[in-house]
Amino acid sequence: GENVEQHPSTLSVQEGDSAVIKCTYSDSASNYFPWYKQELGKGPQLIIDIRSNVGEKKDQRIAVTLNKTAKHFSLHITETQPEDSAVYFCAANLNSGYSTLTFGKGTMLLVSP
Amino acid sequence: GAGVSQSPSNKVTEKGKDVELRCDPISGHTALYWYRQSLGQGLEFLIYFQGNSAPDKSGLPSDRFSAERTGGSVSTLTIQRTQQEDSAVYLCASSALPSTGGYTFGSGTRLTVV
Repeated sequence: GENVEQHPSTLSVQEGDSAVIKCTYSDSASNYFPWYKQELGKGPQLIIDIRSNVGEKKDQRIAVTLNKTAKHFSLHITETQPEDSAVYFCAANLNSGYSTLTFGKGTMLLVSP
Repeated sequence: GAGVSQSPSNKVTEKGKDVELRCDPISGHTALYWYRQSLGQGLEFLIYFQGNSAPDKSGLPSDRFSAERTGGSVSTLTIQRTQQEDSAVYLCASSALPSTGGYTFGSGTRLTVV
């Protein structure tokens, strides 16, 4: 089955800095890679996703890049704000055409004012 | 409804008791998923429903765990003879169609077995 590795497990940055979280996946047939943000006491919320037919996607301060050859993808947050503090999860679908997602173990991002 | 609703939000039960966790997905979402999140851990897949059938239940940890979905809507996850290692947050998610993209998660049920 799919295996998703996520690094780092914790990340501390100063407000205004950039943050980068990286994930690798094992199943070359995977074609959908979402990122979720989980705040304390809440369920994960989809913040951005990318499909295997594109290499990069941006949405305001967040962007995701995908390298299919190396089987890794990354989340980039620019101009971080304290409200960006949360746990971030990457995920990959099990295989092409099947919707079950395998998640990384999460990155706790702390943005200090 | 507007989102995925889970109940109860918190459940404390004694070891050996049975518990039922409920998930009410977004109206019209045909796919429904249960995940488990242990303290400080990632999301562990349990079971996937497409309509009322479960094409993938490979993540259920033991035969004490079962789930059903009726009317293509509400789902119930049942844990029999609960053990302390069952303590976790149980998350439900739904999506409009398989393979179309991201899940919408509920807020979860925090289960504590004492």
